[in-house]
Amino acid sequence: GQQVMQIPQYQHVQEGEDFTTYCNSSTTLSNIQWYKQRPGGHPVFLIQLVKSGEVKKQKRLTFQFGEAKKNSSLHITATQTTDVGTYFCAGRSSNTGKLIFGQGTTLQVKP
Amino acid sequence: NAGVTQTPKFQVLKTGQSMTLQCAQDMNHEYMSWYRQDPGMGLRLIHYSVGAGITDQGEVPNGYNVSRSTTEDFPLRLLSAAPSQTSVYFCASSRQGGPTEACFGQGTSLTVV
Repeated sequence: GQQVMQIPQYQHVQEGEDFTTYCNSSTTLSNIQWYKQRPGGHPVFLIQLVKSGEVKKQKRLTFQFGEAKKNSSLHITATQTTDVGTYFCAGRSSNTGKLIFGQGTTLQVKP
Repeated sequence: NAGVTQTPKFQVLKTGQSMTLQCAQDMNHEYMSWYRQDPGMGLRLIHYSVGAGITDQGEVPNGYNVSRSTTEDFPLRLLSAAPSQTSVYFCASSRQGGPTEACFGQGTSLTVV
C-alpha cells in the first residue's frame, strides 16, 4: 500500500540556523500537504502542493514538490523558537482519497 | 463553525472494556478519518469515510469499528480494549474536491490498563 517516509525523525538546531525535512512516497501523489503540530496540540494545516515541481513560500518556510510528484521538502530559514513542533507531510491518494502521513520530524530550537 | 469536535478528551479503560470515541464536524465535509498517534510512529490511519454510508480500512484497522450514518458524525468504536490501543486519537475531516486540507479535532488521549 501507499507509504510516506519522512526524515529526519528529530532535529535540534540553534536559533537562527536553517532546517529541512524531507518526505518520500512509494507512489505518485495527487497532492502533498504539510502540517505542524505544537507540543500537546493537534496537527494544523500549513500548505498544499499540487503541481509537479511546484515551490511555495510562506515567510521563512519554503515548500517544494518533486518533479515526479513522489517527494517533497520543507525548508525553514533562520529558525525561531516559535518554529518548535513536529512537522508532518501527508500524501493524498488520487485513487482512494486516503491521506497518509509521514512519521513527522520533531524540531527543537535552542535559544 | 465549531470545526471538528472530539469527545472525550481523556479516557482510561480497563482491558476488555468497550467504548466509543465521538467525532462530529459542522463543515459539511465529505471525507472523515481517524488516526492514532504513537511516539515515533507519526499519524497512522485507522479508518476513513468518503461519505455517509461508506467506510473503508486504513493502515491499522484491527480492533476498531466505524460507521457513517450521517455526514456530520463518524464515531470510532473499540469493542474490547487492549493495552496496545493506548494512544492519542485524532479525528479529521476534509472536502473531497477542491481544497482538501484536513481539519483535526483536539484529540483523545486513551489509556488502557
